[in-house]
Amino acid sequence: KQEVTQIPAALSVPEGENLVLNCSFTDSAIYNLQWFRQDPGKGLTSLLLIQSSQREQTSGRLNASLDKSSGRSTLYIAASQPGDSATYLCAVRPENQGGKLIFGQGTELSVKP
Amino acid sequence: DTGVSQNPRHKITKRGQNVTFRCDPISEHNRLYWYRQTLGQGPEFLTYFQNEAQLEKSRLLSDRFSAERPKGSFSTLEIQRTEQGDSAMYLCASSLAVGAGNEKLFFGSGTQLSVL
Repeated sequence: KQEVTQIPAALSVPEGENLVLNCSFTDSAIYNLQWFRQDPGKGLTSLLLIQSSQREQTSGRLNASLDKSSGRSTLYIAASQPGDSATYLCAVRPENQGGKLIFGQGTELSVKP
Repeated sequence: DTGVSQNPRHKITKRGQNVTFRCDPISEHNRLYWYRQTLGQGPEFLTYFQNEAQLEKSRLLSDRFSAERPKGSFSTLEIQRTEQGDSAMYLCASSLAVGAGNEKLFFGSGTQLSVL
């Protein structure tokens, strides 16, 4: 059974710091991995999608890496800003399990001015 | 195209009542998903449709839950005889699936259900 774990559960940093969020998954048979952002009481916004054949994806100050064989992904946020404060969720798309995503429990990020 | 739309945004109901939520996906998206999220947890998969066909249902979806997607457009999720444990955020997502299914999901803002 695929399980996704995110560490840490919560993180507080001062503005301007670079930071790394971690995601691990137990079964490497995945089509892709996605990172999402969720603001309190809101839905999810897709940030980056890494296909199983890729090693990383970049969008602006965000960089996500994927090591499928070791079951790990990281989300790197450069020069953090207070507007980055939100919960960050990673999700994997298992092979041969229809269309569903399996989510981690999220990392709640707070960037202090 | 305004994205995935969910109604209502909030629903408060008494235990034992029936509730129905609606999701309007992005136009032309052929897949529609329902997820449930409780406080401090990631979303959990409930069910998904490809066009009008319901292809998979999670074991979380008891027989009190039913979902439909008539004509392959909007979808409804009904919960009968609600229980306090049904209190959660119900999220809908849609995608355009081609080939092996390496598609990106787009989520709505969710319906927050509170069962008193």
